[in-house]
Amino acid sequence: NAGVTQTPKFRILKIGQSMTLQCTQDMNHNYMYWYRQDPGMGLKLIYYSVGAGITDKGEVPNGYNVSRSTTEDFPLRLELAAPSQTSVYFCASSYTGGLTDTQYFGPGTRLTVL
Amino acid sequence: RKEVEQDPGPFNVPEGATVAFNCTYSNSASQSFFWYRQDCRKEPKLLMSVYSSGNEDGRFTAQLNRASQYISLLIRDSKLSDSATYLCVVYSGNTGKLIFGQGTTLQVKP
Repeated sequence: NAGVTQTPKFRILKIGQSMTLQCTQDMNHNYMYWYRQDPGMGLKLIYYSVGAGITDKGEVPNGYNVSRSTTEDFPLRLELAAPSQTSVYFCASSYTGGLTDTQYFGPGTRLTVL
Repeated sequence: RKEVEQDPGPFNVPEGATVAFNCTYSNSASQSFFWYRQDCRKEPKLLMSVYSSGNEDGRFTAQLNRASQYISLLIRDSKLSDSATYLCVVYSGNTGKLIFGQGTTLQVKP
């Protein structure tokens, strides 16, 4: 049981390049989330999904896209990378997304855009 | 005003000390409250949920004051291994999302 896994761990992009951050969970969780964490800041929600085929925007969705074709996978796509997207990206999952539900986080992807 | 506010610290304390962190939230409709722990360059992990009556888990005690809209975390007998950033997290009933504070950094020194 690996929990939530993310790849890659680190990545450096040039301005204007695109990439996909991968996230996989093996806990059969319905809810999955993408957050970004800037230095010295809390996590901000980018996108989330309540199940396969259903996604919705969070607080900071501009510049990102997501898809959820399976329960296990929730990739995050960056189009036309910008320096403002330099951040640590965390994927998380939870079973019900309810009031008392725990979110389990992946180890993060550290992205630098130069 | 930020939805969830914390004193970023850092709090530098000696081993064995008692330290308390406070967190305020702005949305009175908030329904659930949590403390997450984040070690340097690692992912956040749930430390404890905060119940309306307050709850204790070993050396850690969490309190909720709905009237004043703040949550506290008390750590007794601090250990070196307690050094980390503590994130105050609020579940917003309006949006159904978790809102994270910026975190409070604790450094426990020998």
